[in-house]
Amino acid sequence: AQTVTQSQPEMSVQEAETVTLSCTYDTSESDYYLFWYKQPPSRQMILVIRQEAYKQQNATENRFSVNFQKAAKSFSLKISDSQLGDAAMYFCAYRRGSGGGADGLTFGKGTHLIIQP
Amino acid sequence: GAGVSQSPSNKVTEKGKDVELRCDPISGHTALYWYRQSLGQGLEFLIYFQGNSAPDKSGLPSDRFSAERTGGSVSTLTIQRTQQEDSAVYLCASSLGGTRGTWGGYEQYFGPGTRLTVT
Repeated sequence: AQTVTQSQPEMSVQEAETVTLSCTYDTSESDYYLFWYKQPPSRQMILVIRQEAYKQQNATENRFSVNFQKAAKSFSLKISDSQLGDAAMYFCAYRRGSGGGADGLTFGKGTHLIIQP
Repeated sequence: GAGVSQSPSNKVTEKGKDVELRCDPISGHTALYWYRQSLGQGLEFLIYFQGNSAPDKSGLPSDRFSAERTGGSVSTLTIQRTQQEDSAVYLCASSLGGTRGTWGGYEQYFGPGTRLTVT
């Protein structure tokens, strides 16, 4: 079974600075997708960024980018120019590509990101 | 358009009572998922629906849990004889369907969840 590990329960960063959240995963699959979700206090999970395992290029969405190291099974999230609105729980998630939809997301335990003004 | 909605937002119930949680997916989304979020276990995947059918119910925590989906739209998660360990936030998500091999990348849109407290 696949597992997702987030080793940082909490991270703190100054506003406008850059922060990197770590995620490692374990799988025997070759076809899979990785995601970072943000969960603010409202509880609504919001997709931040997605990476297809077959793509070598790292995904980027505005201030958010990932460092995907397939061989090391590492998938870190970099947030540049941190803003107060970025404060939230961040979850790394995995889903295999060949499951035909029957697989849900496997989540890490989450990292609580604090933005210091 | 409207996102995924869930009701009730919060539910407090006594141990041993039955509860029903409702999820309204985004219109046109054929896939629907239920997750449970608790302090001890984190986020757990419970069950998935494609249309009205759930191919695999093994993720449900016990036989007190059941789920159904009617008309390819609304889904209900029912917990019978609730226990204190059932206290959690229950999240629903929906996504587009697709052919095998493309499913994994479809974005799952989450609802705001139902916070269940069993006293």
